[in-house]
Amino acid sequence: DVKVTQSSRYLVKRTGEKVFLECVQDMDHENMFWYRQDPGLGLRLIYFSYDVKMKEKGDIPEGYSVSREKKERFSLILESASTNQTSMYLCASSLTDRAGNTIYFGEGSWLTVV
Amino acid sequence: AQTVTQSQPEMSVQEAETVTLSCTYDTSENNYYLFWYKQPPSRQMILVIRQEAYKQQNATENRFSVNFQKAAKSFSLKISDSQLGDTAMYFCAFMKQGYSTLTFGKGTMLLVSP
Repeated sequence: DVKVTQSSRYLVKRTGEKVFLECVQDMDHENMFWYRQDPGLGLRLIYFSYDVKMKEKGDIPEGYSVSREKKERFSLILESASTNQTSMYLCASSLTDRAGNTIYFGEGSWLTVV
Repeated sequence: AQTVTQSQPEMSVQEAETVTLSCTYDTSENNYYLFWYKQPPSRQMILVIRQEAYKQQNATENRFSVNFQKAAKSFSLKISDSQLGDTAMYFCAFMKQGYSTLTFGKGTMLLVSP
């Protein structure tokens, strides 16, 4: 089975702190994604990466950056956390060997910024 | 840009009954993929069913089936013989041909009661 692991399930950070959310997948997937989930808004794509060191902005990249130094690891960075970034963050991954591949999700990281 | 609309924020059904969740989407593409994902209270998002737009036959996975109406841009999910474990948030999602990212609807919370 595909395993997408988000190392921190619950975090509480202060406004202005730098926050790192880490994600690791164990299936050699080329694509990795960060989504943000908010009630009534569904999931919105922040960033995705289709290869090591490659990244593309999603729908809501403002206030976030990402890093992909190794194929299995994709980090989401909040340079200066703000209260409006309190949310659930979902990491995901997929293969690129064929079109329409299933995207597999991690369990999510609950971030509260106070 | 693609949009996905789930018009039912919440639905409830009794065990063993059948329920249908609605999803419509807007796109100018001819080839694409549609997905239903389930997110139980444990928060792990899992794939329920997928449909390729070029296939006229509706996808089926055990108790889950879809009614795909391409001309109407409609993609509803039918759950037969509902079980308590089907209680979850259900998301409809769209993937453009040649792309790897998903566009999600806002979700429908399904409650299955005894």
